[in-house]
Amino acid sequence: RKEVEQDPGPFNVPEGATVAFNCTYSNSASQSFFWYRQDCRKEPKLLMSVYSSGNEDGRFTAQLNRASQYISLLIRDSKLSDSATYLCVVNRTSGGGADGLTFGKGTHLIIQP
Amino acid sequence: GAGVSQSPSNKVTEKGKDVELRCDPISGHTALYWYRQSLGQGLEFLIYFQGNSAPDKSGLPSDRFSAERTGGSVSTLTIQRTQQEDSAVYLCASSLGAGVDEQFFGPGTRLTVL
Repeated sequence: RKEVEQDPGPFNVPEGATVAFNCTYSNSASQSFFWYRQDCRKEPKLLMSVYSSGNEDGRFTAQLNRASQYISLLIRDSKLSDSATYLCVVNRTSGGGADGLTFGKGTHLIIQP
Repeated sequence: GAGVSQSPSNKVTEKGKDVELRCDPISGHTALYWYRQSLGQGLEFLIYFQGNSAPDKSGLPSDRFSAERTGGSVSTLTIQRTQQEDSAVYLCASSLGAGVDEQFFGPGTRLTVL
C-alpha cells in the first residue's frame, strides 16, 4: 500500500457544485495532515491543515478519520478559481527520526462554467 | 518578506554532464527540503535538512545525487552524470522548524537533460 493514495481524477464539476475527495494513508502513526493546492506549472501551497475534530475554512471543510486512515476535503459552491490539483499530505516518520511530509500525487479538479 | 528562491529557473544540459541547483530558503527557517516532480506526477521527496542534524537522504534515487546545506541556509543539489530520466522540476521548500510545519515552496528549477 502506498504511503498516501489519492484518486488522480480529473474531477469535472460544474461551477457552484459541491465536490469532495478522499485520501488514504498507510502509516497509522501519522499525526499531522494537510491539504496543499498546486496550480498548473506552479509550486504547491498550503490550503489547510486537517485537525482531528474536523475543520472548516470558508467554503472548504477537511475531515480526518483515524480509524479508517483517510482524510477528506469538501469544497462547497465551487468557483472557477478552485480548478487546481489538490495534494493530500501526511507527516512522514523515518527510522532516523527526521520527520518530513509525504505528498500524495494529487487529485486534479476542473471547475466548468 | 522574501520567499524561497531557486536558481536557475530553467536548466538544459546534455546527458552525462553535472548540474548544480541552488535553493535560498526563507530567512530563519531551519528545515529545508528537496523534491522533484516529473511531468504529471506527484512530488518525490529527495532529501531533508533540519538544523544541525544529519540530513535525511532516504529519498535520493541514486549516488549520483547529493546535496549540501552550508551555514544552515543556502542549499545546493548536485546531480552528477545526468541521465534523461533526471529531467523534472526540482522543488525546494523550507519550514520554520519541525518537519510538520507548513512548507513554503520555491518556484522550482526545470531541468531538461538532452
